[in-house]
Amino acid sequence: LAKTTQPISMDSYEGQEVNITCSHNNIATNDYITWYQQFPSQGPRFIIQGYKTKVTNEVASLFIPADRKSSTLSLPRVSLSDTAVYYCLVGARTLTGTASKLTFGTGTRLQVTL
Amino acid sequence: NAGVMQNPRHLVRRRGQEARLRCSPMKGHSHVYWYRQLPEEGLKFMVYLQKENIIDESGMPKERFSAEFPKEGPSILRIQQVVRGDSAAYFCASSRDRDEWQFFGPGTRLTVL
Repeated sequence: LAKTTQPISMDSYEGQEVNITCSHNNIATNDYITWYQQFPSQGPRFIIQGYKTKVTNEVASLFIPADRKSSTLSLPRVSLSDTAVYYCLVGARTLTGTASKLTFGTGTRLQVTL
Repeated sequence: NAGVMQNPRHLVRRRGQEARLRCSPMKGHSHVYWYRQLPEEGLKFMVYLQKENIIDESGMPKERFSAEFPKEGPSILRIQQVVRGDSAAYFCASSRDRDEWQFFGPGTRLTVL
């Protein structure tokens, strides 16, 4: 799986938009980009997944530039409950299937305060 | 529709004892995956099982660790003769099929004294 690099931590105030960028210079042509969220004392939870351009769901948006060497998770108007660790995964899903081994880096610890 | 269940949620063992961690997959799921998360680190894959079969154990330590997923009952991750370095959160995930998405349980936090 391609190596990913993301900031160790970020701070935000409630109500702001938060953008977390992940670098994945060695992404393979078939690889999707997937983001997970993990609250303290819980297992990771799938947030969003995309292959190119932009994907939006009820929780977040994912922006992927044309070269696909990076991606940005955008959380609109965060609240205190969005305080969590966010993981960027590359290759967990590909154009030909889903990986059985998911590889998580250290993630980005987002702290939201009032 | 209950999610992935893990028990116990917290387990304390003394060095040299055995730890047994249980995972009940989501209803209809026959594929189970175990991951370990050390403090301040991401999850690391350990083993992938389908009913009664170990499919991939490439992430399992060669000694003291074993996993099973019997025809009936939960999947069990067993750690024999625990050491302090085994202290971690152990997460189980399940999927309906090999090529489908994994859903994670809440984890078991093992503390070795």
